[in-house]
Amino acid sequence: QQQVKQSPQSLIVQKGGISIINCAYENTAFDYFPWYQQFPGKGPALLIAIRPDVSEKKEGRFTISFNKSAKQFSLHIMDSQPGDSATYFCAASMSEAGGGADGLTFGKGTHLIIQP
Amino acid sequence: KAGVTQTPRYLIKTRGQQVTLSCSPISGHRSVSWYQQTPGQGLQFLFEYFSETQRNKGNFPGRFSGRQFSNSRSEMNVSTLELGDSALYLCASSFFKPLGAEAFFGQGTRLTVV
Repeated sequence: QQQVKQSPQSLIVQKGGISIINCAYENTAFDYFPWYQQFPGKGPALLIAIRPDVSEKKEGRFTISFNKSAKQFSLHIMDSQPGDSATYFCAASMSEAGGGADGLTFGKGTHLIIQP
Repeated sequence: KAGVTQTPRYLIKTRGQQVTLSCSPISGHRSVSWYQQTPGQGLQFLFEYFSETQRNKGNFPGRFSGRQFSNSRSEMNVSTLELGDSALYLCASSFFKPLGAEAFFGQGTRLTVV
């Protein structure tokens, strides 16, 4: 019920290409969906986040697409650069009003490599 | 503005010992959450504190505990360490509550149990 499934596990994209990472969730009580970027030896850094009342959010080269009916959301990285090579995690959480909140539920991560 | 600070960065402990990790949140943030990151299980929620009270707890044994001080700094303690406790322990802070609010992570404490 609390799972967030992320795919692919690893991804290789050519410089300048579009990187796409997908996530699916089961719990319809989730109402906040952030993406985190993690470099080796560092903690996850918040990249971009979306709430279910919008279907898309764009910040620079990063876009989240959200499909509430399918319970899926995805991260698109446009014009991918070697510096984008990192591990990306999707996550989901629910507002505390209903109780039973368990923090952020993370996907297993996608190891992204951008080839120059 | 300083980020989330975790100390120490690296720690090596022997099985059976106990360990205390520290987290200083971003100034003004009152919520602190702890996560365990391992290659096999990924990022898993441990617990969350707000105003010195534990509000939420993940599915971890009672050997894992924590507390928060009046200045919002937090500590987590693991007693009777097991080899499987080797992991990167991450602390995240947010302004009001982590759920639905932006959570910012520290660099983590790498714990190795031998």
